[in-house]
Amino acid sequence: AQKVTQAQTEISVVEKEDVTLDCVYETRDTTYYLFWYKQPPSGELVFLIRRNSFDEQNEISGRYSWNFQKSTSSFNFTITASQVVDSAVYFCALSEAGRDDKIIFGKGTRLHILP
Amino acid sequence: ETGVTQTPRHLVMGMTNKKSLKCEQHLGHNAMYWYKQSAKKPLELMFVYSLEERVENNSVPSRFSPECPNSSHLFLHLHTLQPEDSALYLCASSQDLAGRNPNEKLFFGSGTQLSVL
Repeated sequence: AQKVTQAQTEISVVEKEDVTLDCVYETRDTTYYLFWYKQPPSGELVFLIRRNSFDEQNEISGRYSWNFQKSTSSFNFTITASQVVDSAVYFCALSEAGRDDKIIFGKGTRLHILP
Repeated sequence: ETGVTQTPRHLVMGMTNKKSLKCEQHLGHNAMYWYKQSAKKPLELMFVYSLEERVENNSVPSRFSPECPNSSHLFLHLHTLQPEDSALYLCASSQDLAGRNPNEKLFFGSGTQLSVL
């Protein structure tokens, strides 16, 4: 069965600090996709990134970076020099190839960036 | 603005009421989804539609009834709900069914915050 665990329920950091959000997943498939979504206070989920299981190269997009490690089944998300606008709930998610219709989400991590 | 619009944004209803949630997308997507986000549980997939046909029903109680009259609109009809049904209901769409296309991603609406009294 597939499962996504975000052990950090809530994190608070002071603005400009770096923060890492953890995501650990379980799947029996060799081909799968991992996602991060951001949910700001307005409620909608905003897509951030999708990685497939064959691409372990780490990715950087501005202040955001992702560390994908198959050996530890982790797909962690780091925000560098955090800003107040980064305050949101962040969801990690997993979908398996062949399961056309289902993306499984973790419980989310609520991130507070304090001014 | 993600292109997926949900109405109403907030809804308070009694257990005997009948109400409907509406979702609309004009992104030309073929797949639409209903998700439930409770305060203490992971996001739960409720229903999936592809080209207006229901693809999946994840053991959702019959008091939730989806309807997809065309590829741009998705409804969730509610009747005789329970207080534990209070949650944020999110609609999403994607070009094709999630997981099939390597470039696929979901676009979410802002959700309807439902409170059942």
